[in-house]
Formats: sequence, C-alpha cells, structure tokens
Amino acid sequence: DADVTQTPRNRITKTGKRIMLECSQTKGHDRMYWYRQDPGLGLRLIYYSFDVKDINKGEISDGYSVSRQAQAKFSLSLESAIPNQTALYFCATSDHGGGPRYNEQFFGPGTRLTVL
Amino acid sequence: QKEVEQDPGPLSVPEGAIVSLNCTYSNSAFQYFMWYRQYSRKGPELLMYTYSSGNKEDGRFTAQVDKSSKYISLFIRDSQPSDSATYLCAMSANAGGTSYGKLTFGQGTILTVHP
Repeated sequence: DADVTQTPRNRITKTGKRIMLECSQTKGHDRMYWYRQDPGLGLRLIYYSFDVKDINKGEISDGYSVSRQAQAKFSLSLESAIPNQTALYFCATSDHGGGPRYNEQFFGPGTRLTVL
Repeated sequence: QKEVEQDPGPLSVPEGAIVSLNCTYSNSAFQYFMWYRQYSRKGPELLMYTYSSGNKEDGRFTAQVDKSSKYISLFIRDSQPSDSATYLCAMSANAGGTSYGKLTFGQGTILTVHP
C-alpha cells in the first residue's frame, strides 16, 4: 500500500470553479507539504504544515488555501481556479527527527490538474 | 535570480556512459544537499543526500558538494536505461524554527539513457 496517497490523480475543471485536492499518509509523519511542478520551474512550495495547528505559506500561496484535518490528512483548495494553475501537484511528508535524513520528504504520486 | 539553478536538459546519453548532473546555489546557509529521482508519472524519491562539503558514494552514484563554489554534482557511472528519469537537486538550511525541514528544489534535469 502506498504511504502517501493523493486524490484525484487527474482532474479537468473550468475557470472559476473551486477545487479540492486531498492527501493522506500512513507514515505517521508530523510534517506535510503541498508543491506544484511546472516544466522548467521544478517543484515550488505552496503551503506546509508542521503539525495540525501549524500552517505556513510557501513561496507561491496566492490563490490557494489548505486545511490540516488530522495528522494524516492535508487538503489543498483552489478557491477560484484559473488556467495558470494548470500543473502537477504533489503532497509530501517528512519526519521531525534530527540527523541528515530529517530532510527526506516522501512524495505522493501527484495530481494532474488542468484548468480550462 | 533563483536560489538554486539546475540545467533542465534534456540530456540524452548511450548506455554505459558517465552522467554528470549539476546544480549551483546562492544561499550560503544551505547545509544539507539532496538528489531526488522522479520517474515519469511518479512522485520524486530521495536518491542521495550529503551534509556539508565532500563526496558520498552509493553504488553507481556519487554525490559531490563544493560549498566554497556553491556547486553540487551527481555522477552516475555505467548508466542504464532504468536511470532514465528527471533528477532534482534539493537543499535545506540547517536552521531551527519554521525553516527546519523545508527544501528548495532545482528545476530538474531530464535524463534519457538509450540502449
């Protein structure tokens, strides 16, 4: 079974629609992240959460919101989708422990979102 | 200027070639350096990680960090078609508080190893 799951895997929507992308994890990690990936731009951080009561903006949070419903669940919403939000979206988790591998993030399989 | 720069390629090499992938960075606070591999239609997976300067070897893969030049490299020896993927460098500052655990990624290099 996958440790980090994302739903849906693919979504096509229209401009102005509200969209929610969901992420669940069974790794028991405290920290969860949302990224978007665009060709030539790599992975860019949208939001991150270090625990259920801690939500932080990343470098490109405008137009997005998140909800950390539980330690294992972290949802990303696009309040009013626009075409330039067409991208591949990844959820990731990491442990809070010390040492070099604390930086290791475990990624879900991604959601391909198209906004027409 | 981006904090981390990586040549997006694409890079195409024959099987058995030595591959060199590189990233430069501008933030001198970065202490942890990682390489992630991403196969098509999959999420990235951690391939190599190093702390501060030096080399680290794992099988056919060698990660190299030169902090004085703000330059990191990943070498793949005896490349195989199964190495065909996008390789992303990632970096993190060794700081506490809210920056702890955050990664800054390069743009990713698309590598194809053909038989």
